[in-house]
Amino acid sequence: KQEVTQIPAALSVPEGENLVLNCSFTDSAIYNLQWFRQDPGKGLTSLLLIQSSQREQTSGRLNASLDKSSGRSTLYIAASQPGDSATYLCAVNSDEKLTFGTGTRLTIIP
Amino acid sequence: DARVTQTPRDKVTEMGQEVTMRCQPILGHNTVFWYRQTMMQGLELLAYFRNRAPLDDSGMPKDRFSAEMPDATLATLKIQPSEPRDSAVYFCASGLGVGNTGELFFGEGSRLTVL
Repeated sequence: KQEVTQIPAALSVPEGENLVLNCSFTDSAIYNLQWFRQDPGKGLTSLLLIQSSQREQTSGRLNASLDKSSGRSTLYIAASQPGDSATYLCAVNSDEKLTFGTGTRLTIIP
Repeated sequence: DARVTQTPRDKVTEMGQEVTMRCQPILGHNTVFWYRQTMMQGLELLAYFRNRAPLDDSGMPKDRFSAEMPDATLATLKIQPSEPRDSAVYFCASGLGVGNTGELFFGEGSRLTVL
């Protein structure tokens, strides 16, 4: 059974800093990995999707990497802004279903 | 602006009542998922469909939950009878399940409170 872990559970950084969120998974037989953002009381917004054959994906200030063999992914956020404050969830697609981590609650301090 | 639409956004009901949540997937998407989110358990998969056929509902309490897709534009999740432990946010997601490499898109969720 796939298990997904996200560390840290919460993170506070000053505005403008670069930061890295971590995601690890136990079963490397995956189709893809998806990073989501969730604002309080809202749904999940897809940020980046990395296929199992890819090493990284970029969108604006976001860069996600995938090391399938070691069961790890990172989400890099450059030049953080207060609007980046949210919970970030990592989800691994294996056996046709997404298994979610418990998320990292990110706070950017103005 | 294509998006997954869920109704109701909020529902407060009393224990024992029937609750039905509805989801309109993005037009053209052939895979639909129901997830439940709680503080304690995080996001849990309840059921999912491909081309309207149920593929897995092992995450659902079968005695009280049922999920259906009457047509390609509507998915429903029904709880009968509801219990306080069912209080959670229920999310619907849709995607193109071609080879299961597609991106999933989530609705805003239905927040259920059972008193």
